[in-house]
Amino acid sequence: DAGITQSPRHKVTETGTPVTLRCHQTENHRYMYWYRQDPGHGLRLIHYSYGVKDTDKGEVSDGYSVSRSKTEDFLLTLESATSSQTSVYFCAITPSGGVDTQYFGPGTRLTVL
Amino acid sequence: GENVEQHPSTLSVQEGDSAVIKCTYSDSASNYFPWYKQELGKRPQLIIDIRSNVGEKKDQRIAVTLNKTAKHFSLHITETQPEDSAVYFCAARQASGSARQLTFGSGTQLTVLP
Repeated sequence: DAGITQSPRHKVTETGTPVTLRCHQTENHRYMYWYRQDPGHGLRLIHYSYGVKDTDKGEVSDGYSVSRSKTEDFLLTLESATSSQTSVYFCAITPSGGVDTQYFGPGTRLTVL
Repeated sequence: GENVEQHPSTLSVQEGDSAVIKCTYSDSASNYFPWYKQELGKRPQLIIDIRSNVGEKKDQRIAVTLNKTAKHFSLHITETQPEDSAVYFCAARQASGSARQLTFGSGTQLTVLP
């Protein structure tokens, strides 16, 4: 499981509230990613990080922000949650050392009412 | 950016038969193509991958083929078993850009009928 945890694993919130999801890794990996998964759309990249304080936007970044103040934590924030952000969110890492493969965390199911 | 299309979206096969899932990609510079299996309620798990300098790779009952000229790659599962039932995703990684980003196909729901 590449030492990846996500918290919370499930969350129900109301439209307009801020939400922060946490991805934590224990193996000092440089690259970290946030995806959302919706039926019929596969996995779509929201934001990614290539080091502490180094982040960039992915395909579906509108309405999301991220922060990475230390190697082990990559935070995804929904500043003002909307119903269209109801989804399953996966964090992923690419191990260091020239490996291309991405490994995924267990996911967070977010419901915005 | 890269665009990956995956077909079919659903596939049913009899146990013991073969299953083939196909993906096409748009960026000829893409050089890494993984396949993931996702069981219901679980995380995607890597099952096999191939790099652009290789045309075929096998791992027991699973194989992947790559045609760089046509920009498509396929997953082949032989002697299917009920535990192969899952959603399968293909992906492609662009050679350019930072952070080794992957672009995923939309997934194939494979059902193996006993």
